[in-house]
Amino acid sequence: AQSVSQHNHHVILSEAASLELGCNYSYGGTVNLFWYVQYPGQHLQLLLKYFSGDPLVKGIKGFEAEFIKSKFSFNLRKPSVQWSDTAEYFCAVSWLTGGGNKLTFGTGTQLKVEL
Amino acid sequence: DAGVIQSPRHEVTEMGQEVTLRCKPISGHNSLFWYRQTMMRGLELLIYFNNNVPIDDSGMPEDRFSAKMPNASFSTLKIQPSEPRDSAVYFCATSRDRVVEAFFGQGTRLTVV
Repeated sequence: AQSVSQHNHHVILSEAASLELGCNYSYGGTVNLFWYVQYPGQHLQLLLKYFSGDPLVKGIKGFEAEFIKSKFSFNLRKPSVQWSDTAEYFCAVSWLTGGGNKLTFGTGTQLKVEL
Repeated sequence: DAGVIQSPRHEVTEMGQEVTLRCKPISGHNSLFWYRQTMMRGLELLIYFNNNVPIDDSGMPEDRFSAKMPNASFSTLKIQPSEPRDSAVYFCATSRDRVVEAFFGQGTRLTVV
């Protein structure tokens, strides 16, 4: 079965530290890739997405992600985190198989940014 | 655009009662997903529809759960009878066909006592 792995379940950083969250997916052909963020008590919101083209994708709030096809990875990065980035981050993958869309989420990474 | 609309936002019910959660997708979106989120299990896909047809319901935990999408503007997730372990936040998300950027509703927080 197709799967999405996020290796870091909990990350604690100080403000201004750099962030990198890992995401790997199982092989399965052409994929669309996403990162979502869920702030405490809120719903999931799209941070950025990759469909094709430049593998370095820039999203909102200074986040970026790099698609490395050979590694089946789509890691999320931010050079300098802020306290307001405290949230849960989900990587998601959609395999473009027949039968319609099926967005598969990783288990999420809880990020806490300390002042 | 009003986004994905879910109702109710909060539901508290007694064990054994029937619960119905509702979702109105974004106009023009023809893929609809129901997710359940708990601390223990994280975000789980329960079922998804494409063009009102259930495509994959393998995530539905048991027969007590059922989902329908009678038309492009409305979907329901029903739990009957409800149990305390069903307590969770249930999210509905929708996307345009083949452009799988999904938009989430605000969720329904269900508490079964």
